[in-house]
Amino acid sequence: SQTIHQWPATLVQPVGSPLSLECTVEGTSNPNLYWYRQAAGRGLQLLFYSVGIGQISSEVPQNLSASRPQDRQFILSSKKLLLSDSGFYLCASNPDGSSYEQYFGPGTRLTVT
Amino acid sequence: GDSVTQMEGPVTLSEEAFLTINCTYTATGYPSLFWYVQYPGEGLQLLLKATKADDKGSNKGFEATYRKETTSFHLEKGSVQVSDSAVYFCALREYGNKLVFGAGTILRVKS
Repeated sequence: SQTIHQWPATLVQPVGSPLSLECTVEGTSNPNLYWYRQAAGRGLQLLFYSVGIGQISSEVPQNLSASRPQDRQFILSSKKLLLSDSGFYLCASNPDGSSYEQYFGPGTRLTVT
Repeated sequence: GDSVTQMEGPVTLSEEAFLTINCTYTATGYPSLFWYVQYPGEGLQLLLKATKADDKGSNKGFEATYRKETTSFHLEKGSVQVSDSAVYFCALREYGNKLVFGAGTILRVKS
């Protein structure tokens, strides 16, 4: 079975600073990968998804970007953080195209001050 | 576009009470449906799923039946435990292997 790692687990950053969150997947190959954001007390918002290396689709216009430099690595970045970027960021993997299930990592709690 | 609507929480129950969390959806066609659970400070875990009409997903005492006629996928459990306290998300699979989530329902179970 697959395992999804996210790093770091928590992060406190000042407004205007850069951001890099990492997600790595073990136990599968060529998965679809997703970044979600969960704002406090709210549901999940899909930010980006990727069907392969270098292939990124953005779901909402925002201050963030994503990259997939390797098959099982998905990175979420920002050049300058905003207060509104605070939230819980979740990486997910869909390893089986026939069942469409997504499996989630443990998340990164980002607080922008 | 596709959407999922869940009952607002929090839902507060005593241990061993019966649980229902309502979920309805709007979608083109017949999407796969899912329930995910999120325990405090953690990511989401798949709880159960149903891929076609009249399918019943079940896991850990939880059940949900895919009702095409009412476009619903209500989550039920006959006897909740304190350890079931969490946030529950209903979701559907949209075209392109993307999931659309409901807003989530907080469940609190008191001993």
